[in-house]
Amino acid sequence: EVQLVESGGGLVQPGGSLRLSCVGSGITFSNSWMTWVRQAPGKGLEWVATMKHDGTETSYVDSVKGRFTISRDIAKNSLYLQMNSLRVDDTAVYYCARDVLYWGQGTLVTVSS
Amino acid sequence: DIQMTQSPSTLSASVGDRVTITCRASQSISTWLAWYQQKPGKAPKLLIYKASLLGSGVPPRFSGSGSGTEFTLTISSLQPDDFATYYCHQHNSYFGPGTKVDLK
Repeated sequence: EVQLVESGGGLVQPGGSLRLSCVGSGITFSNSWMTWVRQAPGKGLEWVATMKHDGTETSYVDSVKGRFTISRDIAKNSLYLQMNSLRVDDTAVYYCARDVLYWGQGTLVTVSS
Repeated sequence: DIQMTQSPSTLSASVGDRVTITCRASQSISTWLAWYQQKPGKAPKLLIYKASLLGSGVPPRFSGSGSGTEFTLTISSLQPDDFATYYCHQHNSYFGPGTKVDLK
């Protein structure tokens, strides 16, 4: 069974950092486009970051450029999102996705003082 | 950056209705377009990818079409389980704002 499981969410103060992880089972991350998507409370889906299938390129939504970094460890079948300088408007459920086909259940990040 | 729009933003329909949702991209995205269904508190569920390919386990009443800048999602006969919000998605990039399908 294919499964993606996110972890690392929680409550953090504005200006703080968090590192989200996404571990895959039943699928591999090599040769796959990997994406982070978020959804703020009561809002729509928002693309956050993508890593190209060969790992050579990354792209980010403007609002997180310079603050968030997407990375992966193929040996651990894991995807990461390092989030620095967090803001209140980063509060959301964060999902990882492989290509567009497989999604995790999400992890909640709350940025609040 | 490519902008994704959807119409309508809300659609009121009855069970058995044929439902069509439109998604437009601000520039050509070929057929790199996916559609998702989302219910409150749940992760999005893939319906369609590459504009017209049916996701695994998705009922055939769902279909997708289009290429370039204009795409449609059609539900041939709306079922009670289909009342939800639908999003279009440029593969690995931007999402549309969503279309909520509710009961007329």
